Amino acid sequence: GENVEQHPSTLSVQEGDSAVIKCTYSDSASNYFPWYKQELGKRPQLIIDIRSNVGEKKDQRIAVTLNKTAKHFSLHITETQPEDSAVYFCAASISGEYGNKLVFGAGTILRVKS
Amino acid sequence: GAVVSQHPSWVICKSGTSVKIECRSLDFQATTMFWYRQFPKQSLMLMATSNEGSKATYEQGVEKDKFLINHASLTLSTLTVTSAHPEDSSFYICSARDPVRGSPLHFGNGTRLTVT
Repeated sequence: GENVEQHPSTLSVQEGDSAVIKCTYSDSASNYFPWYKQELGKRPQLIIDIRSNVGEKKDQRIAVTLNKTAKHFSLHITETQPEDSAVYFCAASISGEYGNKLVFGAGTILRVKS
Repeated sequence: GAVVSQHPSWVICKSGTSVKIECRSLDFQATTMFWYRQFPKQSLMLMATSNEGSKATYEQGVEKDKFLINHASLTLSTLTVTSAHPEDSSFYICSARDPVRGSPLHFGNGTRLTVT
């Protein structure tokens, strides 16, 4: 089955710096790659996603890049702010009998120091 | 606003008892819902795929007789943790996708289960 690896497990950056989180996936059939932000005790919130027919997508300070050949995708956060501190999960969507299900990476704890 | 509602948000139960968690899609019909479990400081692990009108599909290693899933209507799926034990204490989150609009996956608020 699909396996999603995520690095780093923790990331500390200074406010205003950029943060990059990387993920790799194993199933070449995966075609949808969302990124979620989760604050303590709360549900994951979708922050950006990308489909396999696109190489890059940007939304204000957040961007995601996808390399289908290498089977990896990355989250880029620029001009980080303290409120960006949270756990970030990447995921890859694989087709199941009853629709696409998401397999999540292990998560990255992002700390933005002011 | 929330498009997937989950109840209760937290529950404490005694070992050996059963707990039911409800997941509702509020403004769309979900033929498929997904149940995840998240232990502290860990990722979300898919437990099972809930299918309206048919049996749930369980992930490898998840006991179907312990985690009973019922998807009786297009807007409601329930997860019952039977004979709960302390090791079942976790954060359970349901999710669903609007089949008409497609992605993204909407998550419920989650249920914090503590078994004493």
